[in-house]
This record gives sequence, C-alpha cells and structure tokens, in this order.
Amino acid sequence: QKEVEQNSGPLSVPEGAIASLNCTYSDRGSQSFFWYRQYSGKSPELIMSIYSNGDQEDGRFTAQLNKASQYVSLLIRDSQPSDSATYLCAVNTETSGSARQLTFGSGTQLTVLP
Amino acid sequence: DAGITQSPRHKVTETGTPVTLRCHQTENHRYMYWYRQDPGHGLRLIHYSYGVKDTDKGEVSDGYSVSRSKTEDFLLTLESATSSQTSVYFCAISDPGNNSPLHFGNGTRLTVT
Repeated sequence: QKEVEQNSGPLSVPEGAIASLNCTYSDRGSQSFFWYRQYSGKSPELIMSIYSNGDQEDGRFTAQLNKASQYVSLLIRDSQPSDSATYLCAVNTETSGSARQLTFGSGTQLTVLP
Repeated sequence: DAGITQSPRHKVTETGTPVTLRCHQTENHRYMYWYRQDPGHGLRLIHYSYGVKDTDKGEVSDGYSVSRSKTEDFLLTLESATSSQTSVYFCAISDPGNNSPLHFGNGTRLTVT
C-alpha cells in the first residue's frame, strides 16, 4: 500500500506569518508531487507542482522536495485569511505503463487568524 | 473548473437502488478518474480510464462500475447503492505524462438513505 501522510492539523497561524505544511510518502519511485488547496465545500485546486529536489517558488508559495528523505513541504509566506483551507499533498504512484495515479494525503486544515 | 462538468451536483437515493453519476469534459484529455472523498480518508481512487473503452480499478472499486464510450464522457455507476457509499464524488482529468496534474470537477454529493 503506497501511502502519503500529512499532519491533519488543524494548523493555525497569524496573518502575515509563514505557514509550513508537511508531507511524507512511502513510494521511493515517485517522480511528481503536487499541492492542492481545497476550500470547504469546493473541489481541489492545483496550486504547486514539483518534480526535482530543491525548491519551487510561485508567488507566496514555495514547494520543497527531498527525495532522499521522501519528504515534500509547502510554505506559504505572508499568510492571508483567504489562505484558510485544507491543503492536500498528492504523489504520483504510477503502477503500470498504461496509466498513472495520484495518491492523496488526507489533508492539513490551515486557519489564518486576522 | 478546467471544462469539467459533473451531474447531478446533489443526489439522495435509497439503499439498493442503482445510481449513475456523469462526468463530461471539453478538454479532450485522455485520462479520466473518479475519486471519492470522505472525512479522515482524503481522496481515494475508485476507477480510472486511459482511453475510450479502456478502464481499470482503483483502490476502492468494489460496488462501482464505470464506462467510457466517448472521450468526453466518463460514467460511474453504483450498482446497488449502500449507506457506505454516501460520499462526495469527484471526477478528474489529466493529460498523459507523469508530470501532468489532475484537474477536478465540482463534485457530486451523494447521500444513500
């Protein structure tokens, strides 16, 4: 069973602070990693993708990947109340040449306090 | 939501009845997926399709079947609905390639009474 683990939270940070979300995965063969944001009652929305070790930055978001430690993280700088949502980590766990699958963590609920 | 329409958006049905959920895409993506989302379990893959008439099982496929007769449509059928299938169902699409992300539809909230 290929697993993706996240701290469920809830995680609370004050407005303007850095929020740090973490994810570990069990499949050493995983090649691509994604962070999704999901507001309550809505569908998951892709916010970051990362494929190689190191940092990937997009605006206030930075994804960090360490394949040796099987660890991927998401940093949100200058957190805003509008960032309050559940953040899902997803890992490519392709098992056959004909298709690919993403395995999702159960999500971390983030609350940014005004 | 990336040209993905799920129908119906909400449905209440009784135990033992068949239910079909529809996903329609306008993006001409090859891959289509059905996930369910439950508290504490995150998103779990039910079935997926990698082309017309090409489908395979995911992690939680028991009690579900799928069909894909056209590129744009992917149907999920609960053959005899049970209360454990009460959930939010999401359809997703992606391009081929290991680095292609999934894009999700708006979801269908299904309640089995």
